[in-house]
Amino acid sequence: GAVVSQHPSWVICKSGTSVKIECRSLDFQATTMFWYRQFPKQSLMLMATSNEGSKATYEQGVEKDKFLINHASLTLSTLTVTSAHPEDSSFYICSARVVAGGIIYEQFFGPGTRLTVL
Amino acid sequence: AQSVTQLDSQVPVFEEAPVELRCNYSSSVSVYLFWYVQYPNQGLQLLLKYLSGSTLVKGINGFEAEFNKSQTSFHLRKPSVHISDTAEYFCAVSLGGYQKVTFGIGTKLQVIP
Repeated sequence: GAVVSQHPSWVICKSGTSVKIECRSLDFQATTMFWYRQFPKQSLMLMATSNEGSKATYEQGVEKDKFLINHASLTLSTLTVTSAHPEDSSFYICSARVVAGGIIYEQFFGPGTRLTVL
Repeated sequence: AQSVTQLDSQVPVFEEAPVELRCNYSSSVSVYLFWYVQYPNQGLQLLLKYLSGSTLVKGINGFEAEFNKSQTSFHLRKPSVHISDTAEYFCAVSLGGYQKVTFGIGTKLQVIP
């Protein structure tokens, strides 16, 4: 299957700093990428949908000014957590969607980024 | 809006025994259904998906699932589990190719040696 990478795999930062997480589709072009957040022992919650060359669409309750998403190319989307606080500590996972034949579609997930804010 | 219910948060099972992980969905229209597996500190890997056609879907690692429209279920099964199957399993639903995917809360499968 297609490969999606994330960098970094883990990051520890001080409260008040900003952290950027990269999501790359390595062997395919992804017009749409998704950012999820996963709290311990919970499911994935969709934060936003990122379309190449346009503004991201955020889910209800997600602060767009705090979680900045940029999808500058067909293989790269970035999530920046601005002025991070301890409550932002979580596992962030990106995924990229592949559409084949206009009907069949599948999301390929990155390995995730563990963010710890001290 | 669609939703997914995974009734069992944890399922312990002995090695080489069969297992069924339950998933029910709610939607007023046709759906796509998925099962994903997540190993500790890793992303999700697709086990199998139902888009249309045969209601019995076979996936990787010996897993299969059956789509039951009348019962709005998509239970995951494996006839004989291995220690390596210990992981978190997520059922997910989507309304179509360009719609977002909604995940269930997950079921932790614990295989006991």
